[in-house]
Amino acid sequence: DAGVIQSPRHEVTEMGQEVTLRCKPISGHDYLFWYRQTMMRGLELLIYFNNNVPIDDSGMPEDRFSAKMPNASFSTLKIQPSEPRDSAVYFCASSPRGQMNTEAFFGQGTRLTVV
Amino acid sequence: DQQVKQNSPSLSVQEGRISILNCDYTNSMFDYFLWYKKYPAEGPTFLISISSIKDKNEDGRFTVFLNKSAKHLSLHIVPSQPGDSAVYFCAAKRGYSGGSNYKLTFGKGTLLTVNP
Repeated sequence: DAGVIQSPRHEVTEMGQEVTLRCKPISGHDYLFWYRQTMMRGLELLIYFNNNVPIDDSGMPEDRFSAKMPNASFSTLKIQPSEPRDSAVYFCASSPRGQMNTEAFFGQGTRLTVV
Repeated sequence: DQQVKQNSPSLSVQEGRISILNCDYTNSMFDYFLWYKKYPAEGPTFLISISSIKDKNEDGRFTVFLNKSAKHLSLHIVPSQPGDSAVYFCAAKRGYSGGSNYKLTFGKGTLLTVNP
């Protein structure tokens, strides 16, 4: 398996524009997570899905952020409108089902810069 | 409220010596702990874990120690190698306790530099 695949790797956009980040989890993994990494806050969980259903979105900072998982092999994180303070590295991760104590596997991240 | 804290943002060690990275947590419901390593421009990769029923877990050069009463864990790397230079994240979750079993809470990370 190629691992968790995220696209794009880098995104530079102007303030006010819509940004869509994409993720393909590892095949067979039932859990998908979106994390954001900043210098100030480190790695923070934004939202996670189980079997394509959002379970916990308490980490989503504002209504400008939304995430979807239309099927088991694809998820998006959308920011509309984007702001400079959204600049960060966004990671997607997945975990297999049924293994309570297991690690999450991370993608390489999308570095977002909002100017 | 930081539930997982890594109070040392950086650590510098000589090759061949021991590296000790520390992590403290405040949530007593956490019962499964993980360490991740992250190189620049890559995602975090799993390194080693420990459940609350143990106080030590060893994997090659890496050993994690857990002190539940102090809510403290540490990662020991012996001997340290230049290739170990990376950011190390401590993470915790409620592995056995039900609820958000799969939700990992991370510390801010410690940058380890191993000098040749």
